[in-house]
Amino acid sequence: DTGVSQDPRHKITKRGQNVTFRCDPISEHNRLYWYRQTLGQGPEFLTYFQNEAQLEKSRLLSDRFSAERPKGSFSTLEIQRTEQGDSAMYLCASSVPGGPYEQYFGPGTRLTVT
Amino acid sequence: GDSVTQMEGPVTLSEEAFLTINCTYTATGYPSLFWYVQYPGEGLQLLLKATKADDKGSNKGFEATYRKETTSFHLEKGSVQVSDSAVYFCALSETSGTYKYIFGTGTRLKVLA
Repeated sequence: DTGVSQDPRHKITKRGQNVTFRCDPISEHNRLYWYRQTLGQGPEFLTYFQNEAQLEKSRLLSDRFSAERPKGSFSTLEIQRTEQGDSAMYLCASSVPGGPYEQYFGPGTRLTVT
Repeated sequence: GDSVTQMEGPVTLSEEAFLTINCTYTATGYPSLFWYVQYPGEGLQLLLKATKADDKGSNKGFEATYRKETTSFHLEKGSVQVSDSAVYFCALSETSGTYKYIFGTGTRLKVLA
């Protein structure tokens, strides 16, 4: 069991640039979640995939954000025209089918927008 | 909407002291409840869970009981160690649909030798 992996672990970008993060869930997990965690706060839900279908998006996910999960395996989260307010830890989690089962979290990608 | 409220930190204790971190929730239906721990520089790790009223989750000396009547899921440990220093998050899972988590704001615990 290799766990949930995320890449990169850290990203520093200038305001206005686009960034893309990758998440590789545990292989047999068909549910995949993205959360955002800002300093001193708990993670907040961004979006959810069941297999390749994106079934829910939070209102936190503005038009500048897009997520995909082609073929129901890894997922990518892209932020276009980054803003300083996008600076946060982006967490990916996965879980087995059915529910409510526990979610397994990756180490996160820390984004800093300068 | 659903919400989770945790006691504010930081909590500073001496080694071998008793720990309680309060967590209360508001939800429709009967959510599953979780405690996660985040060590410095690491991701969230599941500490324990409970899926129905009166269930007790336990792991590594930590315990929490799902109290429906008080809508609470307080985390306790009888004797903390320096290695328990971390941030602790209480979370609930929706009862249907995506089963996404709603987290509390986290409680930082510092244990002094």
